Amino acid sequence: GAGVSQTPSNKVTEKGKYVELRCDPISGHTALYWYRQSLGQGPEFLIYFQGTGAADDSGLPNDRFFAVRPEGSVSTLKIQRTERGDSAVYLCASSHQGQGSPLHFGNGTRLTVT
Amino acid sequence: TQLLEQSPQFLSIQEGENLTVYCNSSSVFSSLQWYRQEPGEGPVLLVTVVTGGEVKKLKRLTFQFGDARKDSSLHITAAQPGDTGLYLCAGAGVSNYKLTFGKGTLLTVNP
Repeated sequence: GAGVSQTPSNKVTEKGKYVELRCDPISGHTALYWYRQSLGQGPEFLIYFQGTGAADDSGLPNDRFFAVRPEGSVSTLKIQRTERGDSAVYLCASSHQGQGSPLHFGNGTRLTVT
Repeated sequence: TQLLEQSPQFLSIQEGENLTVYCNSSSVFSSLQWYRQEPGEGPVLLVTVVTGGEVKKLKRLTFQFGDARKDSSLHITAAQPGDTGLYLCAGAGVSNYKLTFGKGTLLTVNP
């Protein structure tokens, strides 16, 4: 079966621009997560969706970051007024139920802000 | 804030050698997971340990969860070049959905 799909795989943007990163989770997975992985670091939690709602957005760095999952499947991570420090790999993961269920990660979107 | 310290950060060994990677914290975790990540790909779950003192084996890989559920180790026997990758430990807190990752151990196994 298909795994978690993230598009684009690479995104280069200029400082100050707006970007959208897309995640297609595994079909039937109700839980969806966004993590950010900077060079030489482990992934850092950003936000967790259970169904359509953001159950925990405590990891979003500031109000330039926003994520939606309007139909409980595909999710979009939106970053406004991008800064060079936003450059990282943005990973999406999904799991069957959420708490205690194994996470399945996509291959990430590598964002470079110039 | 829960932190996970992994050591060593880098490890380069010859095929056939044994190795151990450590994951330590001052915090208690409800479970701990080990992932392997290759360049350009997302982390892939290897194992989840839940009970203090638990030992799990996956072929040549042995995972142990500390009695106090604050630390864990990954031991690889007779390493092979295919074992090369970034090994990440991740702990789940009370919420059991939010993972705190270590920085990882980058393992290179030379033929």
